[in-house]
Amino acid sequence: QVQLQESGPGLVKPSQTLSLTCSVSGGSIGSGNYYWNWVRQSAAKGLEWIGRVYTSGSTNYSPSFKSRVTMSLDTSGNQFSLKLSSVTAADTATYFCARRIPAHGFDLWGQGTMVTISS
Amino acid sequence: EILLTQSPGTLSLSPGERATLSCRASQSVSSSYLAWYQQKPGQAPRLLIDGASNRATGIPDRFSGSGSGTNFTLSISRLEPEDFAVYYCQQYSSSLTFGGGTKVEIK
Repeated sequence: QVQLQESGPGLVKPSQTLSLTCSVSGGSIGSGNYYWNWVRQSAAKGLEWIGRVYTSGSTNYSPSFKSRVTMSLDTSGNQFSLKLSSVTAADTATYFCARRIPAHGFDLWGQGTMVTISS
Repeated sequence: EILLTQSPGTLSLSPGERATLSCRASQSVSSSYLAWYQQKPGQAPRLLIDGASNRATGIPDRFSGSGSGTNFTLSISRLEPEDFAVYYCQQYSSSLTFGGGTKVEIK
């Protein structure tokens, strides 16, 4: 059974880069027809899709984050990552990694990790 | 960007009652690329309905989805105690966006 687990710092300083990793267990991230996504949730903005990296490594980002987000796939480590630059307090949220089959909803989610932006 | 508006914001019902949740899109959602999720406190969302009307694996048949274009509905035929939660709609027709959620609470 495939499982996702987010990891990374829980506290990031303003203007710095937020870096998170999603480890995939029970299946190979480099095979199959899947989008590997990052979604965040805050009280102010609700659920927001940040972007996704496909099994091939190609990426697609939400216009809201495009200028400061980078996602990548690490097939040897069976994980994918999120980097969000120039963070502000508005980026304080719970960050989820999630899997999606093209033309379908998110069928698998990590448990989420809370990230606070504060000096 | 397709905006999704969910109503009502809160639904107060008793176990055994029927729940009807609405999701309205600012423009047409093509191919019924709309999903519904359930979220409980401290948990990730769980996929309930995919493609507007298809129940996800393991979802009880008391959950049903309908609609097309700009109007979609999630129905729960008879509320069980474990169904009291927040429900979100999400479209994947044009980029991906979520609605603001409907909280189903115990009356």
